[in-house]
Amino acid sequence: DAMVIQNPRYQVTQFGKPVTLSCSQTLNHNVMYWYQQKSSQAPKLLFHYYDKDFNNEADTPDNFQSRRPNTSFCFLDIRSPGLGDAAMYLCATSTTLNQPQHFGDGTRLSIL
Amino acid sequence: GQQVMQIPQYQHVQEGEDFTTYCNSSTTLSNIQWYKQRPGGHPVFLIQLVKSGEVKKQKRLTFQFGEAKKNSSLHITATQTTDVGTYFCAGWRYAGNMLTFGGGTRLMVKP
Repeated sequence: DAMVIQNPRYQVTQFGKPVTLSCSQTLNHNVMYWYQQKSSQAPKLLFHYYDKDFNNEADTPDNFQSRRPNTSFCFLDIRSPGLGDAAMYLCATSTTLNQPQHFGDGTRLSIL
Repeated sequence: GQQVMQIPQYQHVQEGEDFTTYCNSSTTLSNIQWYKQRPGGHPVFLIQLVKSGEVKKQKRLTFQFGEAKKNSSLHITATQTTDVGTYFCAGWRYAGNMLTFGGGTRLMVKP
């Protein structure tokens, strides 16, 4: 089945230690998104790629970076995780920007 | 900036009762999407409304888009325990080129 896959499901890292989360899709969608979701809150968009064009949200901290080496894969790099970065990170895809988004299962990040 | 407000934030209902969540935007939307997120799960797309005054049904769920395309509602008839979760609306407008999520309504159903 076509889907959005995130690895790992759970990630534990140390304060300040860089971490990379990955997302892959078999939907061949043009757009890939990264969201941060904290408990009892709505998903907060960090950035998205439309094909190779990167779009950063204005309030996304510089600590968060992303890479999309090809259509299928997208990575979220957190350069120096702080305690406030502990959250669920959701990857999503869509055919184009205003179309419904398909979410992966998410990666729950814990910071020690 | 664009804001999408959703009420109520929480709703407890007895199984079999109806449930409605409301979504209001500060600006006119080109479309609105609804998602459901089960506890511990990820958002799952339910439906998209595009036309002014549009009404769509999915079994016990009825979705409406307001005439001014600034508000929307989701109504569930005769709730079941499987309806438990958080329902998010998300509005899209071309200016700004982004989808804005409402804060969500968490539905809890007592059997």
